[in-house]
Amino acid sequence: KQEVTQIPAALSVPEGENLVLNCSFTDSAIYNLQWFRQDPGKGLTSLLLIQSSQREQTSGRLNASLDKSSGRSTLYIAASQPGDSATYLCAFMNYGGSQGNLIFGKGTKLSVKP
Amino acid sequence: NAGVTQTPKFRILKIGQSMTLQCTQDMNHNYMYWYRQDPGMGLKLIYYSVGAGITDKGEVPNGYNVSRSTTEDFPLRLELAAPSQTSVYFCASRVDRPNTEAFFGQGTRLTVV
Repeated sequence: KQEVTQIPAALSVPEGENLVLNCSFTDSAIYNLQWFRQDPGKGLTSLLLIQSSQREQTSGRLNASLDKSSGRSTLYIAASQPGDSATYLCAFMNYGGSQGNLIFGKGTKLSVKP
Repeated sequence: NAGVTQTPKFRILKIGQSMTLQCTQDMNHNYMYWYRQDPGMGLKLIYYSVGAGITDKGEVPNGYNVSRSTTEDFPLRLELAAPSQTSVYFCASRVDRPNTEAFFGQGTRLTVV
């Protein structure tokens, strides 16, 4: 069964720190991996999508990497800010039984202290 | 841009009642999905659709039904609500091309008492 594991489950850091969120997956035959941000009581906002042929994607202070061979992705947040506090979810897409379905991890809850 | 719109945002149901969660998107996406998110868990796929008139079951379809009469709308029907259906429900859509982002609605928080 395809699974996605996110470590750590929760993380608290002081403002200004650089941090890394980890995501591992069991199915290396993925089409892409997507990182989302979820604020309390809100929907999911897409942050970055890495295609299976890519190694990394960057958007502002965010950088996501993908290593299919080891089944790992990381989300690097530079110079963290209190506004970055949220739950971060990673999900990979396969084209198995459910067209374009995303397999989600449980998320990492990030708290950035002023 | 409206994107993916879900209604209602919150709902309390009594056991045995029925309701329909509405989802509409204005991006002309063929692929639409319904997920549920339980506390501390990842999202799980309930049903999906690859176009008007075509739907299929996901990982956790029991107790739910869907229809897709138009490209824009993908309602989720709960029949005979049970406490186990207490969850947050998310609708998502994407274009039918590989390596494209999925867009999510704001969610419907449902409590069955």
